[in-house]
Amino acid sequence: TAGITQAPTSQILAAGRSMTLRCTQDMRHNAMYWYRQDLGLGLRLIHYSNTAGTTGKGEVPDGYSVSRANTDDFPLTLASAVPSQTSVYFCASSIGQGQPQHFGDGTRLSIL
Amino acid sequence: GQQLNQSPQSMFIQEGEDVSMNCTSSSIFNTWLWYKQDPGEGPVLLIALYKAGELTSNGRLTAQFGITRKDSFLNISASIPSDVGIYFCAGQAYDNNDMRFGAGTRLTVKP
Repeated sequence: TAGITQAPTSQILAAGRSMTLRCTQDMRHNAMYWYRQDLGLGLRLIHYSNTAGTTGKGEVPDGYSVSRANTDDFPLTLASAVPSQTSVYFCASSIGQGQPQHFGDGTRLSIL
Repeated sequence: GQQLNQSPQSMFIQEGEDVSMNCTSSSIFNTWLWYKQDPGEGPVLLIALYKAGELTSNGRLTAQFGITRKDSFLNISASIPSDVGIYFCAGQAYDNNDMRFGAGTRLTVKP
């Protein structure tokens, strides 16, 4: 089934460690996004990529980095995790900038 | 940045009842979207609205893009148990990656 695959589904990580969350889409969408979802705050955009080779900062980018080496993959890296980064992370994609976004099933990350 | 106010935060209704939820913004959006999220899954797109005043239906769901471009509502008619979940509104400016989400409406449907 076509769609967005995120890995891992959940992870417990010690503070100070690094972690890369993986996201792959097989819909040949140009744009991809990373959000975090926290209780009572809805989803907030961390970083985005309009097309392979380009990235941009969203609403809450600090502490996170992304890369977009090809159309299908958009990994999110936490270089040195802190407890405030405990959240559920969702990857999304859209045909192009400004188009409706489609979401993966999320990665639940706990930083201790 | 733009903030979306979604209400109500939660609703407890009887199966068969109609439901209405809405979203307002301090800024203008070019696109309004409504998503539903089930536990352990990502949000799923229900309806996308692209023009002020637009009224769009998807089965028992109806959504409208407000004339001022600062609000939208979602109605669910004749609710059923599988309507349970969290509903999110989202607004996006044209050619802008900054899609903003409301905090969600948690819907519980009692059989």
